Amino acid sequence: EVQLVESGGGLIQPGGSLRLSCAASGFTFSNYAMTWVRQAPGKGLEWVSDISGSGGSTNYVDSVKGRFTISRDNSKNTLYLQMNSLRAEDTAVYYCAKATSFRFLDYWGQGTLVTVSS
Amino acid sequence: EIVLTQSPGTLSLSPGERATLSCRASQSVSSSYLAWYQQKPGQAPRLLIYGASSRATGVPDRFSGSGSGADFTLTISRLEPEDFAVYYCQQYGSSPYTFGQGTKLEIK
Repeated sequence: EVQLVESGGGLIQPGGSLRLSCAASGFTFSNYAMTWVRQAPGKGLEWVSDISGSGGSTNYVDSVKGRFTISRDNSKNTLYLQMNSLRAEDTAVYYCAKATSFRFLDYWGQGTLVTVSS
Repeated sequence: EIVLTQSPGTLSLSPGERATLSCRASQSVSSSYLAWYQQKPGQAPRLLIYGASSRATGVPDRFSGSGSGADFTLTISRLEPEDFAVYYCQQYGSSPYTFGQGTKLEIK
């Protein structure tokens, strides 16, 4: 059974940093791209970033480029999102999701809430 | 960046009725790389449709997807009580792999 469990969310002041983790199990982690999607309170889904199975290729939405870094440790079956220079508009539930080879998202975690506020 | 516009924003229907949800792209979506997801309150999204018309594993056959190019449709043939939720389309043909703003399907 595929399981994705996010952690690392919390309350952080504007300008601060936070690292999210996503522990994966139930599939061969290194064979699949992984994605972060976020959802601001009461709003829709926003695709944030993805990373290839090897970690050699990454993509970002423009609003987080230069501030967020996606990475993975295939030996630990874990996905990360390093978030720096956080802004109020980054407040959201952050979901990690497993991507198929075509990049649609077939399994999702339950999400972790990040609140950026002073 | 491809912008996806979903309509209507809210759809009010009764169980047993047919639901038709639209997703229009600002440019053609390559190879019909269009997916639909369902999200219920407090839950993560769930994949329903990929490749514009292929149902994901375990998805009931009352859900169907169609379309190509820049116009796509999700149809629920006969609404069940558990189908009332928010539905999102997503294009995965061109990064960033954008989502539509969602259609809320509510009980009339």
